[in-house]
Amino acid sequence: ETGVTQTPRHLVMGMTNKKSLKCEQHLGHNAMYWYKQSAKKPLELMFVYNFKEQTENNSVPSRFSPECPNSSHLFLHLHTLQPEDSALYLCASSQVSGRAGKNIQYFGAGTRLSVL
Amino acid sequence: DAKTTQPTSMDCAEGRAANLPCNHSTISGNEYVYWYRQIHSQGPQYIIHGLKNNETNEMASLIITEDRKSSTLILPHATLRDTAVYYCIVSPSLGTASKLTFGTGTRLQVTL
Repeated sequence: ETGVTQTPRHLVMGMTNKKSLKCEQHLGHNAMYWYKQSAKKPLELMFVYNFKEQTENNSVPSRFSPECPNSSHLFLHLHTLQPEDSALYLCASSQVSGRAGKNIQYFGAGTRLSVL
Repeated sequence: DAKTTQPTSMDCAEGRAANLPCNHSTISGNEYVYWYRQIHSQGPQYIIHGLKNNETNEMASLIITEDRKSSTLILPHATLRDTAVYYCIVSPSLGTASKLTFGTGTRLQVTL
C-alpha cells in the first residue's frame, strides 16, 4: 500500500464514451502527476500539478483532460479516445519542499484502460 | 535531464547479491540519482536515491562513483519477489515538482 489509490483498476470503453479516472493520495503531498505506460514502452509523463496548479502538460492531446480540485485528488477525464490510447495510466504524488533531494514520487497501482 | 544507460536484462540467483549498473555520464551537479522498480503490472516503487555519497536503506544500497558518471544498485540478498524492471533516473531536485524521465530499465530475473 503506497498511500496513492487509483480507481477503477480496469476500464473498458468505446471510442465515443466519456469516462474519468480518479486518483487520491493520503500522504499529505502537494504535487500530483499522471503518467501513461503503453505496452513495451517507457512511462511517459502526461501532466504535473503543483499546489493544484498545472505546471506541465507534456503535449497531451485534448481528449485527455486533467482536473485537480484539491491537493489530495486528481482526475483524468477521457473522451473520444482512440484504440492507441489503451495503456496503463499511473498516478503519483510527491512532497515538494525547499530541500533538494526530496522529489520522491509515490505511485498508485494504475488503471488498465482498453479502448475498443 | 541527463540520460541513463542500463543493461536490458540481468539474472540473479536467489540469495545472492544483485548488482545493477547504470551509466549517467552527462549528469549535472544538481541532479540526483534515483532508483525505482516496477513489478509486473504495478506502479513503480521508489527504492533509493543519492547525490554523491553512497547510500543504504532497508531495501538496497546505492554506490555512486566519485566522478558521478555511473552508479550501482545493490540488492544484498535477492529473493524471487525482487524480480522486476529496475529504473535508474537522474533528476534535479530543486524544490519543484520535478518530472522523472523513465527509460526502459533493467529487467532483473531472480531464479531459484
